[in-house]
Amino acid sequence: QVQLVQSGAEVKKPGASVTVSCRTSGYSFKSHEMHWVRQAPGQGFEWMGLINPNSGLTVYTQKFQARVTMTSDTSTSTLFLELRSLTSEDTAVYFCARASSGTYTDFDFWGRGTLVTVSS
Amino acid sequence: ESVLTQSPGTLSLSPGERATVFCRASQSVGSNYLAWYQQRPGQAPRLLIYGASHRAIGIPDRFSGSGSDTDFTLTISRVEPEDFAVYFCQQYSRSPLTFGGGTKVEI
Repeated sequence: QVQLVQSGAEVKKPGASVTVSCRTSGYSFKSHEMHWVRQAPGQGFEWMGLINPNSGLTVYTQKFQARVTMTSDTSTSTLFLELRSLTSEDTAVYFCARASSGTYTDFDFWGRGTLVTVSS
Repeated sequence: ESVLTQSPGTLSLSPGERATVFCRASQSVGSNYLAWYQQRPGQAPRLLIYGASHRAIGIPDRFSGSGSDTDFTLTISRVEPEDFAVYFCQQYSRSPLTFGGGTKVEI
């Protein structure tokens, strides 16, 4: 069965960087684009961007363009999200989500989320 | 960007009652590129409905979606105890993908 297993919670200081991983299994890794979405406490979901694990092509929202990098490791079927220059406003749960088909689409499987806390 | 507004914010129901959740988009969602998800505390979101009205694999038929253009509805015909959760909509008609603020269905 499809599984998306994310790395554990992180606590970071302002200005630091964080990397969240998402290990996938149960399907052909290169066949589905993967998205990253975050949810700040008490807030709705915010789409950050996507990566095509086959080509490595990425699309980032303008808000995060300057300080986010999404990568993939085909040897381990794992995705990575790096977010730099953290501020308290980046405190959120970060989710990886599999695109069901195509690029801009619904998400048929999600990870359980990784809590990133930014605090001095 | 397309802003999705959900209502109500909270829906208080008893098991067996009907739940209706609304999602309004600030711009047309094209060919019904709208999805609904369920999120229980501490769990991964689960896809319920895609294409505005198509149930995802394994979703019970008490869940249904309807609507078009800018106005969409998620209906749970008879709420079961395990349906008490947060529901949110998502549009994938245009980038950036956006989500509604969520509706909590509580006892």
